[in-house]
Amino acid sequence: SQQGEEDPQALSIQEGENATMNCSYKTSINNLQWYRQNSGRGLVHLILIRSNEREKHSGRLRVTLDTSKKSSSLLITASRAADTASYFCATDAGGGKLIFGQGTELSVKP
Amino acid sequence: DAEITQSPRHKITETGRQVTLACHQTWNHNNMFWYRQDLGHGLRLIHYSYGVQDTNKGEVSDGYSVSRSNTEDLPLTLESAASSQTSVYFCASSDGIAVDTDTQYFGPGTRLTVL
Repeated sequence: SQQGEEDPQALSIQEGENATMNCSYKTSINNLQWYRQNSGRGLVHLILIRSNEREKHSGRLRVTLDTSKKSSSLLITASRAADTASYFCATDAGGGKLIFGQGTELSVKP
Repeated sequence: DAEITQSPRHKITETGRQVTLACHQTWNHNNMFWYRQDLGHGLRLIHYSYGVQDTNKGEVSDGYSVSRSNTEDLPLTLESAASSQTSVYFCASSDGIAVDTDTQYFGPGTRLTVL
């Protein structure tokens, strides 16, 4: 069974707008990670947030984590057409094994 | 540069045949993983390994096997291919050293069709 559930399943925005994706999970975690997948390619790691962290930034990416609600959000600011991809959250409950959500498909229109 | 490769990239086979998908990483990572990706299911873990001679079952391991004879390779074998195993298969690796911040590096995937 999937640990993470992502919302929305699909998101379409204009270039320059912000994109927010949400992820909920079920069990205690060591960390939560976000990955990007371009069409026909493998996943690429974007950012990791530990269970004792509440917010983390990397360039145009901002991740928040609320362990009391078992939820996380990924914000991409000032989106570009090149950000068009699927985005997955993944939880690490121990042992380095990741459990992935079903992903959010982001389309950024120029 | 270090990398993780998969072969073949595309494979068509028939029901009942044995198929082996190759995964090779030059990161010298301890951990290696196999996932399958299907529409509506995201990525699901098939098997994983924490080192040479170590293998473990994941969420959807039935009909699949792996073996780890060296650090670099984790081949995935479908013992008797079934149409339900038509999918895109991804291999990944991680160093397994920093247990709280371990991230995975993914291969480009193998698209397998079982007719």
